[in-house]
Amino acid sequence: KQEVTQIPAALSVPEGENLVLNCSFTDSAIYNLQWFRQDPGKGLTSLLLIQSSQREQTSGRLNASLDKSSGRSTLYIAASQPGDSATYLCAALSGNTGKLIFGQGTTLQVKP
Amino acid sequence: NAGVTQTPKFQVLKTGQSMTLQCAQDMNHEYMSWYRQDPGMGLRLIHYSVGAGITDQGEVPNGYNVSRSTTEDFPLRLLSAAPSQTSVYFCASRGTSGYEQYFGPGTRLTVT
Repeated sequence: KQEVTQIPAALSVPEGENLVLNCSFTDSAIYNLQWFRQDPGKGLTSLLLIQSSQREQTSGRLNASLDKSSGRSTLYIAASQPGDSATYLCAALSGNTGKLIFGQGTTLQVKP
Repeated sequence: NAGVTQTPKFQVLKTGQSMTLQCAQDMNHEYMSWYRQDPGMGLRLIHYSVGAGITDQGEVPNGYNVSRSTTEDFPLRLLSAAPSQTSVYFCASRGTSGYEQYFGPGTRLTVT
């Protein structure tokens, strides 16, 4: 059974810092891995999608990497801003069941 | 494109009442799903559909019914609401190119 874990559960950093959010999964048979952002009381916004054949994807200040062999993905945020404060969720699309399995999320606070 | 839309945004029910949460997408996606999000539990799959006329159970299907008569719509029915169904409900759809998931804004349901 696929399990997705995100560490840390919460993170607080000063503005301008570069940071890394971690996501690990137990079953390497995945179609893709997707990173989402969720603001309080809001829905999920897709940030980056990495296919199983890819190693990384970039969008602006965000870079996501995928290492299937070790069951890990990281989301790198460069030059963090207070507007980046949100909960970040990773989700792995299982290659066996076709179901999307979510981690518990990392709640990020960027202080001015 | 409106993407994935959900109605209502908020709903309060009394125990035993029934209701239908509406979900629609205009991206011609075959795959649609319903999740519930609870503190400490993350997002859990309730039901999903791989196309019109085809539905299946997810991780937490008890107390919920679904049907899929059209590609666009995927309503979720609560048969007899219980306080344990107090949650935020998200509908999602998935494209066939890369299998990226798109989420609606959510319905916040309280059962008293």
